[in-house]
Amino acid sequence: GDSVTQMEGPVTLSEEAFLTINCTYTATGYPSLFWYVQYPGEGLQLLLKATKADDKGSNKGFEATYRKETTSFHLEKGSVQVSDSAVYFCASGYSTLTFGKGTMLLVSP
Amino acid sequence: GAGVSQSPSNKVTEKGKDVELRCDPISGHTALYWYRQRLGQGLEFLIYFQGNSAPDKSGLPSDRFSAERTGESVSTLTIQRTQQEDSAVYLCASRSTSGGAEQFFGPGTRLTVL
Repeated sequence: GDSVTQMEGPVTLSEEAFLTINCTYTATGYPSLFWYVQYPGEGLQLLLKATKADDKGSNKGFEATYRKETTSFHLEKGSVQVSDSAVYFCASGYSTLTFGKGTMLLVSP
Repeated sequence: GAGVSQSPSNKVTEKGKDVELRCDPISGHTALYWYRQRLGQGLEFLIYFQGNSAPDKSGLPSDRFSAERTGESVSTLTIQRTQQEDSAVYLCASRSTSGGAEQFFGPGTRLTVL
């Protein structure tokens, strides 16, 4: 079946550091790919998405590129802020989504 | 417009009691999903409704769990004879089938079984 694997956390960074959270997927065909963010005590919010190969999704300084050849959708941000501290979920699919286990990001001042 | 709403936001119950959790999807969204998220864990798919089709119940963990949806509106998730291992956040999401594959999530219901 479909699966999504993302790096285990927590990822601990200082403010203004560069962020990468790796995500790879296995699926039939070319699923849509997503990153969701969950702030403490809240539900999941869509952060960005990509629907076809080589698409780049971007939002709030975060970006991820749909790489068909490596079946990856790594999340990056050039300069993280304390307010980016949250849990990040990678997901793939069509009518149903398969989610990774989540990666906690902790950013210190 | 209004997002996905869920009620109650918190529910504390005693072991063996039944609970009902409610989800109001975004108006016009034909697809609705329930997930369970245990503390510090990822999302566990429970059930998926799509229009008038038979729901995909493949994620329900036991026959104590059931869900209903009336048309393309409100859904209720019922857990009978609750157990302590049912303690989790229950998340609802909806999706417009005329749009992309993205799901929009509610804030969740935190269920604590004592």
